[in-house]
This record gives sequence, C-alpha cells and structure tokens, in this order.
Amino acid sequence: SAVISQKPSRDICQRGTSLTIQCQVDSQVTMMFWYRQQPGQSLTLIATANQGSEATYESGFVIDKFPISRPNLTFSTLTVSNMSPEDSSIYLCSVQGETDTQYFGPGTRLTVL
Amino acid sequence: QQQVKQSPQSLIVQKGGISIINCAYENTAFDYFPWYQQFPGKGPALLIAIRPDVSEKKEGRFTISFNKSAKQFSLHIMDSQPGDSATYFCAASMNSGYSTLTFGKGTMLLVSP
Repeated sequence: SAVISQKPSRDICQRGTSLTIQCQVDSQVTMMFWYRQQPGQSLTLIATANQGSEATYESGFVIDKFPISRPNLTFSTLTVSNMSPEDSSIYLCSVQGETDTQYFGPGTRLTVL
Repeated sequence: QQQVKQSPQSLIVQKGGISIINCAYENTAFDYFPWYQQFPGKGPALLIAIRPDVSEKKEGRFTISFNKSAKQFSLHIMDSQPGDSATYFCAASMNSGYSTLTFGKGTMLLVSP
C-alpha cells in the first residue's frame, strides 16, 4: 500500500487569499487525484493529475480556481485560489499505483472566513 | 445525475448485530466496486472490493454481495463492533479499477455497546 502525507493538515484562511496543499507519496505512482469533501458529504473528484501532462478537471472545476502541479511521480500540489467561504471543505489527494486500489491521504481541512 | 445511490444515510446497530448498507449503480460500464471506511479526521481507507464476475466476496467480518442484473451491491458487517462506527462509502469505477471513482453519499454507522 502507499503512504500519503498532506500538508497542511488544516488551515483557516481569509476570503480572497489562496492556499496551496501538498501531497507526498512514499512510492512512485502514475495516477494522482484530488477530491473535495464538504462537511458531512461524499467525495467529489476535482481533477486527475498525471505526471508529464496537464491535469484533467471534472465538470464544475476549472484550472484558474484549482491549479494543480505534478512535477514528479511522488508529489503534487493543489492550489485553492481566491477563496470564499464556499471553499471550506476537506481536500484529499489519492493515488493509484500498480494495482486497482486507490489510497487516500489524511486530508487537509480548510476553513475560509 | 447521481450514478451511485447509497442507503441508508445513517444506521444504528447493536453490538454483535449485522450492519447492512446498500448501493445501486446506473452505469453498466462500471466493473469495479470498492467500499471505503472513513473515521472522523481521517482519509477514506479501502475496506473490501468486488468485481462483477463474482456474486460475493468475504474478508473477515466484511462481505460484499453483488447482483449484476439488479445493478446493486451491498456491504454486510457481521458481529458489528463499536470500533466499526464510521462512515462507509461505496464506489464504482471502470477499466477494472484503473479509473476515477464515483462515490455514493455515504452511510454513518453507529454500533452501540
């Protein structure tokens, strides 16, 4: 299994600012994903981030709001830009390695005031 | 359009009882059906998964039952324990799991002592 860490674990931010969330994996993986989980809700896929290519965004999510970097096979960042209170959520990265299993990080709990 | 419908939203079971959570899907292209367990403040963790070529899979106290014709699958937790109290998500994906996951809305399980 893959061990995933995320930084920060939580943050409180002001409206209009941006926050970059880091995701680090202990092994090389091809597919990385970013999800949003609003309080008490299910997981919604934001984008798929594969190394060496542009991230693929799901309907309702755009690159200007959620720019993603994937510089190598063990690391990715998600930036939440120009934040509003509606962006308050848990942001999760997940990875898929050689098997069909997706492993999730512990999440970043974001509160926007 | 919600592609994976999960019920019930919440469930209270006595210790030692059987917990049953149901999911139904619409997309017949789905061919991989995992269940994730999530504790408060943690990321989801894979519990058990099934493919459509089998009707049942058992791992310890956890069993998935799969009905391809009805496009339904369910999670059974036998001898439920207070430590099983968590939120459970069913999910589905295509390409034998090497694809993005579509999640149900989750079931909050409480096992009373």
